[in-house]
Amino acid sequence: GENVEQHPSTLSVQEGDSAVIKCTYSDSASNYFPWYKQELGKRPQLIIDIRSNVGEKKDQRIAVTLNKTAKHFSLHITETQPEDSAVYFCAASKGPNDYKLSFGAGTTVTVRA
Amino acid sequence: AAGVIQSPRHLIKEKRETATLKCYPIPRHDTVYWYQQGPGQDPQFLISFYEKMQSDKGSIPDRFSAQQFSDYHSELNMSSLELGDSALYFCASSPGQGWTDTQYFGPGTRLTVL
Repeated sequence: GENVEQHPSTLSVQEGDSAVIKCTYSDSASNYFPWYKQELGKRPQLIIDIRSNVGEKKDQRIAVTLNKTAKHFSLHITETQPEDSAVYFCAASKGPNDYKLSFGAGTTVTVRA
Repeated sequence: AAGVIQSPRHLIKEKRETATLKCYPIPRHDTVYWYQQGPGQDPQFLISFYEKMQSDKGSIPDRFSAQQFSDYHSELNMSSLELGDSALYFCASSPGQGWTDTQYFGPGTRLTVL
C-alpha cells in the first residue's frame, strides 16, 4: 500500500515567519494530495489540496508544491499567525476506485507570538 | 453549509461490550469513509462505502462491521471491545467516486473503553 512520510514532526516558528512541511509518497499511482489541519480533539479540516496534473497551488498564505518525479510535495505557510498553531497532516490517494487517504504522521506547528 | 454529522460525540464502554457509531454525510454525498485515530497518531482508514456498497476495506478488525443505508447514512458496529479500541473515530464524506476525491470530515466520536 501507499506509504507517506512527513517531516518534521515538530516545527516552532516566530510569528510572521514562514513554515514548510515536506512529505514523500511511495506509490507513483497516487494522484491526489490534500493537507489537513487538526486542532486538539477536533476534526481534520481540509486547508488545501493538489492533483497530479498541477505543480503548484496557492490560497492566500498557504501554498502547496508537487514534484511527481521525486514523489514529494510540500506545504508552505507564509506570515504565520498564532492561530496557525495545530497539527498538520499530509495525505495521498490514488483514485479512481481507490480514494482512501493514506496520511503522514503529522507535524505539530507552534507559532510563537 | 451542512457538514458531516456523527453521533454520539462521546461514548464510554466496558471491555467486551458493543458500540454503534453513526455517520450522516453531507447532503448529496454518496460516499462515506471511516477512519480511526489513536492518541498522537494519524487517521487510519477502516472502510468505505459508495452507493450503499462496500468500496474498500483497510485495517478493520473482524470484530467491526459497517454498512451504508438507503439514506446514505452509515453505521460502524464494534463488538467485543478491547482497551486498544479507545480512539477518535471519524467519518468523512465525498460527493462520489469518479467525480471528486475530496473528503470532508465529521467532528468524530471519542470512544473510551474501560
